[in-house]
Amino acid sequence: AQSVTQLDSQVPVFEEAPVELRCNYSSSVSVYLFWYVQYPNQGLQLLLKYLSGSTLVESINGFEAEFNKSQTSFHLRKPSVHISDTAEYFCAVSFTGGGNKLTFGTGTQLKVEL
Amino acid sequence: GAGVSQSPSNKVTEKGKDVELRCDPISGHTALYWYRQSLGQGLEFLIYFQGNSAPDKSGLPSDRFSAERTGGSVSTLTIQRTQQEDSAVYLCASSLASQAAGYTFGSGTRLTVV
Repeated sequence: AQSVTQLDSQVPVFEEAPVELRCNYSSSVSVYLFWYVQYPNQGLQLLLKYLSGSTLVESINGFEAEFNKSQTSFHLRKPSVHISDTAEYFCAVSFTGGGNKLTFGTGTQLKVEL
Repeated sequence: GAGVSQSPSNKVTEKGKDVELRCDPISGHTALYWYRQSLGQGLEFLIYFQGNSAPDKSGLPSDRFSAERTGGSVSTLTIQRTQQEDSAVYLCASSLASQAAGYTFGSGTRLTVV
């Protein structure tokens, strides 16, 4: 079965430090890749997505993710985090042949501390 | 509507009772999805509707779970004879037909079975 792995369940980081949230997926077939964010007591929101073209995609709030086909990875990075980035981050993959269905990772809780 | 609307936002029910959860998707979105979010478990796919096609029910955990979508719009997820392990947040999402579209999520229904 196709799967999405987020190895880190929690990532604590100090404000203004860089952060990387890891995401790997199981399949080598064509995929679309997504990161969603869930702020405390809110619903999930789309943060960014990779469909095709440039392997580096960016969000409006400074996050970026890079698609690496050979490593089947789509890690999320930010060079300098803010307290307001505290949230749970979910990686999701749409696998070819899976229709529109997204397969989600188990999430990474990012906690930014002063 | 402007977003995906779910009701009720919270539901407490006694073990053995039936519950119905409602989802009103974004107007014009032909695809509708139900997921379950349990603590530490990430998002578990339940069922997916795409236009007039037969739904993908492959994620329903047991025959106590069913869902329908009337008129290609509103969807109801029904859980019969609820069990304590059914306690979770049930998320609905909708999207355009394209696999690349990504989802818009509702705020979820928190179900507690006592």
